[in-house]
Amino acid sequence: NAGVTQTPKFQVLKTGQSMTLQCAQDMNHNSMYWYRQDPGMGLRLIYYSASEGTTDKGEVPNGYNVSRLNKREFSLRLESAAPSQTSVYFCASRRGYSESGYTFGSGTRLTVV
Amino acid sequence: QKEVEQNSGPLSVPEGAIASLNCTYSDRGSQSFFWYRQYSGKSPELIMFIYSNGDKEDGRFTAQLNKASQYVSLLIRDSQPSDSATYLCALSNEKLTFGTGTRLTIIP
Repeated sequence: NAGVTQTPKFQVLKTGQSMTLQCAQDMNHNSMYWYRQDPGMGLRLIYYSASEGTTDKGEVPNGYNVSRLNKREFSLRLESAAPSQTSVYFCASRRGYSESGYTFGSGTRLTVV
Repeated sequence: QKEVEQNSGPLSVPEGAIASLNCTYSDRGSQSFFWYRQYSGKSPELIMFIYSNGDKEDGRFTAQLNKASQYVSLLIRDSQPSDSATYLCALSNEKLTFGTGTRLTIIP
C-alpha cells in the first residue's frame, strides 16, 4: 500500500530557483493538502484542494502555487525560492468526511541557500 | 489567539506512569478533533478521533473532549519509551488546523 507518495525527499535550492514538489495518493481520496512544518510553528496549511478541480489558499500561501492535476496528484510549486521557505513540506489526503483524518506523505526537506 | 493551543513541553513522564497532554481551542462551534503522534524526522500518524463530549478509549490511549470548556486531552496509560514523540492536536472542519504540538519524553 503506497498511500501518499511525495517526491523528492530532500532538496537544496539556491535563492531565486524554482521547483515543484510532487504528491500522489492511491486511496481515491477527494481532498489533498500541502503543509509546511517549522520548529515551534507546528503544521501550517499552505494550500488545499477539497475536490478535483478546486484549490484554496490556506494560512501561508504567499510564494507558492498549486495544481490539482487529477484526483490522484496535487503539486506545489515554488516560483522563486527564498530562504524563508526552508522547511519540511508535507502532503496529506483525506476521504473528505469530517471524521476522516489525514494520511500524510513522508515529507520533503527543503533547504534554500 | 491561535485556534488551537498546546503546551510545547517538553513533558517528561516516568515509564509506566500516565502521560496527560492537553489542548485548548477558541472556536466554540468546533465539532471534532484528532490526535496525531509524530516521531522525530517522520510524518504525523493518526492516533485518535473524537467528536462527542466525554471519553473515548483505544488501548492505552484515552481522548477526552469537553466542549463547554473548549479543551481536548489525550491520556496515555502505562507509558512506554516508544511513546516518546511530539503529539499534535488538530481541529477538524474542511481542513485540519493543528496546534504546535507537545514534546513527550518517557523516562525509563
